[in-house]
Amino acid sequence: AQSVTQLGSHVSVSEGALVLLRCNYSSSVPPYLFWYVQYPNQGLQLLLKYTSAATLVKGINGFEAEFKKSETSFHLTKPSAHMSDAAEYFCAVSDGPSNYQLIWGAGTKLIIKP
Amino acid sequence: DVKVTQSSRYLVKRTGEKVFLECVQDMDHENMFWYRQDPGLGLRLIYFSYDVKMKEKGDIPEGYSVSREKKERFSLILESASTNQTSMYLCASSFGGYNEQFFGPGTRLTVL
Repeated sequence: AQSVTQLGSHVSVSEGALVLLRCNYSSSVPPYLFWYVQYPNQGLQLLLKYTSAATLVKGINGFEAEFKKSETSFHLTKPSAHMSDAAEYFCAVSDGPSNYQLIWGAGTKLIIKP
Repeated sequence: DVKVTQSSRYLVKRTGEKVFLECVQDMDHENMFWYRQDPGLGLRLIYFSYDVKMKEKGDIPEGYSVSREKKERFSLILESASTNQTSMYLCASSFGGYNEQFFGPGTRLTVL
């Protein structure tokens, strides 16, 4: 069965520091991969998605993620954290065109220290 | 601009009441989803629908039912609300398979 693992339920970084949120997946076929962000008391918003084109994907708000097939990873990064990046981040995977569902990671709460 | 709307942002109900949560999307998407979100448990799928009048159980359907009479509208029904159904409920929609889901703002339901 497919699964998505996000390492760390909480990640704390200083403002201006590198943000790295980890996501590993298991899938028997080439997946589509997604990162979403959720600000407090709001719905989820798509940050970026990997759809088997370029392995380095750029998203909104300066975030990017790299698909590494050999490591089954899709880690999210941002060079310099901003206070407004404080939110919860979810990684998700879809493993086929006939599969309507997404498999979700448990989420990582990003805390930004001033 | 893509839009998924949910009927209420906050709702307070009493134990035993019948509760309706409504979701409307304006993107002509075939697929619609209901999730609940609880601290530490992430997103859990309750039901989804891939066409009008079609529905499939998700991971936690017990205590819930759904209705999809029109393509743009997907309702979640709590037949007899219980305190353990206090949660954040999120509706989403998507086009076809393999595609990203678009989310509504969520309904925070409290059952007293």
